[in-house]
Amino acid sequence: GENVEQHPSTLSVQEGDSAVIKCTYSDSASNYFPWYKQELGKGPQLIIDIRSNVGEKKDQRIAVTLNKTAKHFSLHITETQPEDSAVYFCEPNAGGTSYGKLTFGQGTILTVHP
Amino acid sequence: NAGVTQTPKFRVLKTGQSMTLLCAQDMNHEYMYWYRQDPGMGLRLIHYSVGEGTTAKGEVPDGYNVSRLKKQNFLLGLESAAPSQTSVYFCASSWVLGNTGELFFGEGSRLTVL
Repeated sequence: GENVEQHPSTLSVQEGDSAVIKCTYSDSASNYFPWYKQELGKGPQLIIDIRSNVGEKKDQRIAVTLNKTAKHFSLHITETQPEDSAVYFCEPNAGGTSYGKLTFGQGTILTVHP
Repeated sequence: NAGVTQTPKFRVLKTGQSMTLLCAQDMNHEYMYWYRQDPGMGLRLIHYSVGEGTTAKGEVPDGYNVSRLKKQNFLLGLESAAPSQTSVYFCASSWVLGNTGELFFGEGSRLTVL
């Protein structure tokens, strides 16, 4: 199955700073790279995703970059706000071939201080 | 739209008791999943289903059983609860994995086994 490592495990920033979380994976068949945000007491929710034919995708203050050769992708949050405080998970997968191999990173606890 | 609904949201059991967690989705998704979330362990897949009447084991299936008698429902059963099963359980659903791969999560069920 997929080996997924996510770093850092905790990240503390001041409001307005940028935050970067990196996800490294092992399965070269992975072709779908989502990031999920989990707020306290809720289930994870997709915030951005990227496919293997694209190197970067941006949606307002968040972006995801992909390096398929090195097998890692990163979440970038600019101009952080207190409401960005949450746990973030990556979940690289190979789409239809993944089935029971869906593997999440261990999560990054992001704290944005006002 | 309700999305993915889990019941109950909280439950306390004694060791050896049994219980069933119910997951219902109204998005006509083919795939459904049960995860458990423990501190520092991220989300781990217990069982999943690729369609009505089918189930399969995930990463940590021991001590759990599942059933998918109707497309919209996915039940997770604990026949003889153990303290190691104290966790937060999340149900998720998605379109066929070869599509987007996005997972839609419920809000979680917190189970404590004494």
